[in-house]
Amino acid sequence: AQSVTQLGSHVSVSEGALVLLRCNYSSSVPPYLFWYVQYPNQGLQLLLKYTTGATLVKGINGFEAEFKKSETSFHLTKPSAHMSDAAEYFCAVSRGSTLGRLYFGRGTQLTVWP
Amino acid sequence: DTGVSQDPRHKITKRGQNVTFRCDPISEHNRLYWYRQTLGQGPEFLTYFQNEAQLEKSRLLSDRFSAERPKGSFSTLEIQRTEQGDSAMYLCASSLPGRADNNEKLFFGSGTQLSVL
Repeated sequence: AQSVTQLGSHVSVSEGALVLLRCNYSSSVPPYLFWYVQYPNQGLQLLLKYTTGATLVKGINGFEAEFKKSETSFHLTKPSAHMSDAAEYFCAVSRGSTLGRLYFGRGTQLTVWP
Repeated sequence: DTGVSQDPRHKITKRGQNVTFRCDPISEHNRLYWYRQTLGQGPEFLTYFQNEAQLEKSRLLSDRFSAERPKGSFSTLEIQRTEQGDSAMYLCASSLPGRADNNEKLFFGSGTQLSVL
């Protein structure tokens, strides 16, 4: 079975501060892991994904995430928050045979204060 | 590339009525997915198509739900005898898997917000 836990439904940071959004997963098979972002009135957009290879994955808009198998984690970070990063972020896991068949976490709403 | 288009953006209906949503995927994308997102939750998988074939259905997709993709292009999702619990955002996504499965990338539409009164 696959599931995703996102710790913290709301995270607030100041502009320029580190962003850390937490994600832990459980999977019965080696997972493919994703972070999506959802801006108001827009569709979900892929930030980054881990399938195989390097465990530190870089995505768009300066975000990156590290796959840590021993901790079953895939936390999302960005060194310096920007006002435009305010959005809802979803972590997701896939079994891999069909990457589009995703299991999503509940989401984390990121607020960035000026 | 005009993106994934969903229609309507909003639908308000009375309990017991039937509703139908449409999704137009990105041209030439052969996979199409439907997800449902309720308030405070992440999207939940409902079903997906490869071309016109419906390959997987979630247990969430009760007998009142039916999805079609008759010509392998656009898709419709119909809910019969709507219930208040059906109120949610219904999301559509499409993809064109590469030769390697791990190259598949989903493109999501903006969704159809259903409110059942």
